[in-house]
Amino acid sequence: AQSVTQLDSQVPVFEEAPVELRCNYSSSVSVYLFWYVQYPNQGLQLLLKYLSGSTLVKGINGFEAEFNKSQTSFHLRKPSVHISDTAEYFCAVSALSDTGRRALTFGSGTRLQVQP
Amino acid sequence: GAGVSQSPSNKVTEKGKDVELRCDPISGHTALYWYRQRLGQGLEFLIYFQGNSAPDKSGLPSDRFSAERTGESVSTLTIQRTQQEDSAVYLCASIKPRPGTRSSYNEQFFGPGTRLTVL
Repeated sequence: AQSVTQLDSQVPVFEEAPVELRCNYSSSVSVYLFWYVQYPNQGLQLLLKYLSGSTLVKGINGFEAEFNKSQTSFHLRKPSVHISDTAEYFCAVSALSDTGRRALTFGSGTRLQVQP
Repeated sequence: GAGVSQSPSNKVTEKGKDVELRCDPISGHTALYWYRQRLGQGLEFLIYFQGNSAPDKSGLPSDRFSAERTGESVSTLTIQRTQQEDSAVYLCASIKPRPGTRSSYNEQFFGPGTRLTVL
């Protein structure tokens, strides 16, 4: 079984400052990693995903994440945030499955609050 | 629109009543998931449908929960004899797996959710 830990429930940051949202996972097998964003009153939207290859993954809206296998982490970063980035961010992991029927396991979410 | 839709958006019910939540996936998406998101928590997997295969019900928390899906269309999640701990946002997601790939790494498209409040 896999699990996901998002260490920060809330991250306040000023506009144009850099931000890092932390995510650690545990799994006994190889995993795929995802970051989803949930804007107020909207559904979840995929930001980026790591399947294989380069450990630095670039996503939409200027976000990127780095897969670190030794530290079992997949932290999300953005060098300069905007007010519009205020949202809830969820890290998720999916373990390889022969049946392909494995659902995503989500972290508890991090609320990013960008202040002017 | 072309996204996943869910209805109702909000549902308030009394303890002990049955509720039915609906999910309309994106047309052509063969796989469908139901998740539950309690306040301040992450998403919990409930049930998974893939085409005509038997659903994966391993995430359903009790026998009061059931879900159906006809073919690759609408799905309904039914909660019988609701309890206060059932209060949560119920999210539906659909996937169109690419041929030759496992659905576990295809993007899930989420609906806006149904906020269920049990009084």
